[in-house]
Amino acid sequence: TQLLEQSPQFLSIQEGENLTVYCNSSSVFSSLQWYRQEPGEGPVLLVTVVTGGEVKKLKRLTFQFGDARKDSSLHITAAQPGDTGLYLCADDNYGQNFVFGPGTRLSVLP
Amino acid sequence: DADVTQTPRNRITKTGKRIMLECSQTKGHDRMYWYRQDPGLGLRLIYYSFDVKDINKGEISDGYSVSRQAQAKFSLSLESAIPNQTALYFCATSDFRAGGYEQYFGPGTRLTVT
Repeated sequence: TQLLEQSPQFLSIQEGENLTVYCNSSSVFSSLQWYRQEPGEGPVLLVTVVTGGEVKKLKRLTFQFGDARKDSSLHITAAQPGDTGLYLCADDNYGQNFVFGPGTRLSVLP
Repeated sequence: DADVTQTPRNRITKTGKRIMLECSQTKGHDRMYWYRQDPGLGLRLIYYSFDVKDINKGEISDGYSVSRQAQAKFSLSLESAIPNQTALYFCATSDFRAGGYEQYFGPGTRLTVT
């Protein structure tokens, strides 16, 4: 059974700081998605990465997929209060049963 | 209008009661999922369906049942609710894009079993 780990579990930073959160898998990802969930709402897809070594950017967010396709990082530059939320990584498991990590809860203080 | 809707948004029920959570989607996706979310445990898959005639158990299906009434509708039932089923429940659809399957979630149903 695939297990996804995310670190850190909690992160509290000041507005304007940079941060990186991580996702590691016990097995090779089929494809990896990152989602952000705000309180009281459902997760919203941020990005999908498929190829080892792939880097994708979404405004101030940079997503990197490890060469061996077993780990990923999400880097946020100059964090803003609007970045606050729960960041989840997931494997689509070839479209079968998705597997989610436990998440990193980020709080950006003004 | 939201692409994936869930009703009710909040529900309080008593132990032993039967309840149904409903999900509708306008995205035209064949694949639909039910998850529960508990603090510190992330999202856990209860059931998933690839079409009206294809329903599969997820990681934690005991105590739950589902019905796929149409491509656009997927409901979750708790036959006899118990307090440890208190959680946030999400419905989702998925579609193949950008080299992988991506999920689209509803706003969630907060269920409390007393």
